[in-house]
Amino acid sequence: EPEVTQTPSHQVTQMGQEVILRCVPISNHLYFYWYRQILGQKVEFLVSFYNNEISEKSEIFDDQFSVERPDGSNFTLKIRSTKLEDSAMYFCASQLTSSHPNEQFFGPGTRLTVL
Amino acid sequence: AQTVTQSQPEMSVQEAETVTLSCTYDTSESDYYLFWYKQPPSRQMILVIRQEAYKQQNATENRFSVNFQKAAKSFSLKISDSQLGDAAMYFCAYRSATLKYIFGTGTRLKVLA
Repeated sequence: EPEVTQTPSHQVTQMGQEVILRCVPISNHLYFYWYRQILGQKVEFLVSFYNNEISEKSEIFDDQFSVERPDGSNFTLKIRSTKLEDSAMYFCASQLTSSHPNEQFFGPGTRLTVL
Repeated sequence: AQTVTQSQPEMSVQEAETVTLSCTYDTSESDYYLFWYKQPPSRQMILVIRQEAYKQQNATENRFSVNFQKAAKSFSLKISDSQLGDAAMYFCAYRSATLKYIFGTGTRLKVLA
């Protein structure tokens, strides 16, 4: 069964460094998302992406964040200058269409630790 | 703005027994989807069950079923014949018209042998 994959599984970085989190969505899916989950808290929406542009972004998704689909298969989340509070689990998700079936399929997550 | 509330931070159930996890939501939309996701210790989010708001019939997937009360904006998950493998964090999620998911704070389910 096709699945969403994410790399790396765990990323440790120093505050102020740039990180790129990578996701490979399910191949024929058209809608892509990033969510984050700070330890012990709920999963929060960051950004949605469709047709090579951002569809919607949350207040969390400030100028330090960017997303890209550079080659038609990967979907990346870049944090330009990481802060301690960026430490979280980051989940990528993809969705086939906006209509049925319409659930999002989640990747296993990347744990980002900012020191 | 839509909100999702899960009022039970933690629940316990004996193996083979039945447990119900609660979820309420608030929205002004008439057409939407609701989901329950399971997050085991591996942290991967796994879809358990979904419900289309326009369907009156409650969704069922094997041992998992929902009690969807649209007027009350309630969407509870019932797990029958609980198994040790059901132990996980369970998140209720609302899919907005813009397709993003809004999650509740989760309920940690413990299954006692």
